[in-house]
Amino acid sequence: ETGVTQTPRHLVMGMTNKKSLKCEQHLGHNAMYWYKQSAKKPLELMFVYNFKEQTENNSVPSRFSPECPNSSHLFLHLHTLQPEDSALYLCASSQDSLAGGASYNEQFFGPGTRLTVL
Amino acid sequence: RKEVEQDPGPFNVPEGATVAFNCTYSNSASQSFFWYRQDCRKEPKLLMSVYSSGNEDGRFTAQLNRASQYISLLIRDSKLSDSATYLCVVNQNDYKLSFGAGTTVTVRA
Repeated sequence: ETGVTQTPRHLVMGMTNKKSLKCEQHLGHNAMYWYKQSAKKPLELMFVYNFKEQTENNSVPSRFSPECPNSSHLFLHLHTLQPEDSALYLCASSQDSLAGGASYNEQFFGPGTRLTVL
Repeated sequence: RKEVEQDPGPFNVPEGATVAFNCTYSNSASQSFFWYRQDCRKEPKLLMSVYSSGNEDGRFTAQLNRASQYISLLIRDSKLSDSATYLCVVNQNDYKLSFGAGTTVTVRA
């Protein structure tokens, strides 16, 4: 497989459930990202990992818990979510540039997980 | 002030027309700028990076105005396949990118 893959593609869960989203990148990149995209709103950065170390946590509620076991895999563990957490969750990866960090280079996105919280 | 602001549109244009739109950014220290394209219910994909001197890629031209802190995108000879949402993207630091909410373009036959 190539590019960035995400599973599952669709997820419906109750507020008391625990689930995990998975992302895998086959591009050899060192940085991975979780974004939330709600209808009519900009993509919101949630977490950034660089070489498995978390470099950004954009004030995300603790009911979202990221895990990055290696540079190719990223998880988002979900528990006791709220209906307003329903959104498209996108994973992305990119590579450090000579200019500095990975924000100078293209980000490659996965297809996303469409999450519905009942 | 929002980190990145865009006119949401929609811009409805006939095939062959030229359409242009801007985005403004708040962080004067930003160093990298991009336009991404997002089709309905799909993930964003890079359309083009934006360089200080302005750059062109086929029918697409991007300009950067650092003094006024805005970026523009111009599409010439619009095709039906250009219908999409165009996202303005600006870096905030070495690892954080901020995305605008997008400008929707619809090209009609």
